[in-house]
Amino acid sequence: QLQLQESGPGLVKPSETLSLTCNVSGGSISSTSHYWGWIRQPPGKGLEWIGSVYYGGSTYFRPSLKSRVTISVDTSKNLFSLSLKSVTAADTAVYFCARLNIASRFLDYWGQGTLVTVSS
Amino acid sequence: SYELTQPPSVSVSPGQTATITCSGDKLGNKLASWYQQKPGQSPVLVIYEDKRRPSGIPERLSGANSGNTATLTISGTQVVDEADYYCQAWDSSPAVVFGGGTRLTVV
Repeated sequence: QLQLQESGPGLVKPSETLSLTCNVSGGSISSTSHYWGWIRQPPGKGLEWIGSVYYGGSTYFRPSLKSRVTISVDTSKNLFSLSLKSVTAADTAVYFCARLNIASRFLDYWGQGTLVTVSS
Repeated sequence: SYELTQPPSVSVSPGQTATITCSGDKLGNKLASWYQQKPGQSPVLVIYEDKRRPSGIPERLSGANSGNTATLTISGTQVVDEADYYCQAWDSSPAVVFGGGTRLTVV
């Protein structure tokens, strides 16, 4: 059974960089059929896609976040990572990682999510 | 950018049919998915490829997608179905797009 697990600091100061890692177990991140993505959910609000990465390194980002986001993949460690720079309180959210089925365009496996609070 | 619109809330009595809509330009030409999210939990895929159910999802949940509207229907709604529901599609980028979410209340 595929499992995804987010990890990283729960508190980040304004103007600093938010960094999270998603460890993938029970399956290979080097799948030709999937992207790997980050999604966030501000408290009390809806889901917002941040970006996706393919095992080969191709990336796709939400236009409004593109200038601040980096997503990378480490196939040797079976994980992918999110970096969001210059954060503000508006970036406070639960951050989820997920697997995206390319052909059928759905997200079938999700991590449990991790709350990141931006505050001084 | 592409947008998906859902009603903020839907209310239904137990045993009745709940219908949640998701509207987007030519959405019927895209593949729509639906997710159920309960408080404090991760979203769970309940419908993919417009109408297919993953293993373990009850038959009372069904989906359709045509024209500009995708629909999630829950027949014989149960209290356990009370949750937030999100539709989702992909833009051409490929960019993942979510609807704003619909809170289903079973009262």
